[in-house]
Amino acid sequence: AQSVTQLGSHVSVSEGALVLLRCNYSSSVPPYLFWYVQYPNQGLQLLLKYTTGATLVKGINGFEAEFKKSETSFHLTKPSAHMSDAAEYFCAVSGTSYGKLTFGQGTILTVHP
Amino acid sequence: GAGVSQSPSNKVTEKGKDVELRCDPISGHTALYWYRQRLGQGLEFLIYFQGNSAPDKSGLPSDRFSAERTGESVSTLTIQRTQQEDSAVYLCASSSKDRVNEQFFGPGTRLTVL
Repeated sequence: AQSVTQLGSHVSVSEGALVLLRCNYSSSVPPYLFWYVQYPNQGLQLLLKYTTGATLVKGINGFEAEFKKSETSFHLTKPSAHMSDAAEYFCAVSGTSYGKLTFGQGTILTVHP
Repeated sequence: GAGVSQSPSNKVTEKGKDVELRCDPISGHTALYWYRQRLGQGLEFLIYFQGNSAPDKSGLPSDRFSAERTGESVSTLTIQRTQQEDSAVYLCASSSKDRVNEQFFGPGTRLTVL
């Protein structure tokens, strides 16, 4: 079975500041890990994913995440926040061969000028 | 190319009525998934189709919920005798069989049960 915990339902940063969204997972099998972004009134968009190989994964819009097996974490970071980054972010895990996703509760990112 | 589409975008119904939600996946995508997003919560998996069969229905919350897929294309999620707790955004996603870790999501159907 899989589960995902996102620490902090709301995160607020200033424009230009570091963005850090935390995600911890539990999985009984080697996980595949994902971050999705949901802009207001839009569907989910894949930001990045970890399947195998390099543990530091780069995604779209300058985001990256690092898979740390020892910490069961997959935190999302971006060095410098932009106003357009304001959205809800979901961490997800898959432990099946057919891609069934288990999602965290989501973190709403607010970016202040 | 066209993405995943869902209809209607919004549905308001009265408690006890039946509703049908439709999903048109990306052409050629054999894998199709339904998820539910209740207010303030993450997405919950409902059902997975590979082709027209559903090998994983484990997320359907009750026997009032059913789904079918025809022609390895369109899928319909049906909720019978709707209850207020069914109010949510219902999201559909699709992927190709050999790239199941790249799911493309539709915009969702917002269901409100009065």
